[in-house]
Amino acid sequence: EAQVTQNPRYLITVTGKKLTVTCSQNMNHEYMSWYRQDPGLGLRQIYYSMNVEVTDKGDVPEGYKVSRKEKRNFPLILESPSPNQTSLYFCASSPLPGQNLYEQYFGPGTRLTVT
Amino acid sequence: QKEVEQDPGPLSVPEGAIVSLNCTYSNSAFQYFMWYRQYSRKGPELLMYTYSSGNKEDGRFTAQVDKSSKYISLFIRDSQPSDSATYLCAMSGETDSWGKFQFGAGTQVVVTP
Repeated sequence: EAQVTQNPRYLITVTGKKLTVTCSQNMNHEYMSWYRQDPGLGLRQIYYSMNVEVTDKGDVPEGYKVSRKEKRNFPLILESPSPNQTSLYFCASSPLPGQNLYEQYFGPGTRLTVT
Repeated sequence: QKEVEQDPGPLSVPEGAIVSLNCTYSNSAFQYFMWYRQYSRKGPELLMYTYSSGNKEDGRFTAQVDKSSKYISLFIRDSQPSDSATYLCAMSGETDSWGKFQFGAGTQVVVTP
């Protein structure tokens, strides 16, 4: 089944404890992206990657890191999480080139709570 | 001010009615316009996308883009209870913003039997 998977689905952690949220897709997609979703603010893009070893900042990159060493994986790293990073996180992927970029497939989400 | 504005609702309609959703935006560089549907506790799924201005129809769904007014709409005809979800608009430009997306906050729709 074609899908985007995220792990963990739920995570409660404490301020300052480094964590990684994994994202993997099995559709051979070139493009991958991370978003956070907060009430009243909608989805905001954190980072995106057009291809392996190519990453760019979205609108809210502060406090996050990403890497794209393999085409299928795009982990999101929080080096020192803070309570304002409590949110619902989504990973997405889409094929390239051209207009297929806009057919983003989203993962199921990771609910993160930082205390 | 956000680049994309969307009324959060909730918008409640009886089954069979037409649902009308819209977003306004401020960035004239946006060229691609998308609508996503998000069920509770799920990731968004793409419904439709359009390029530049004009209309696009897919079954019960019609998307309209009016770039002169910076306004996009989604219409759902013959609404069903299964259409109850949050609908998100999204937009993107070209060239130096390739790969960047801006989303609206989402409108919650409730279709009552």
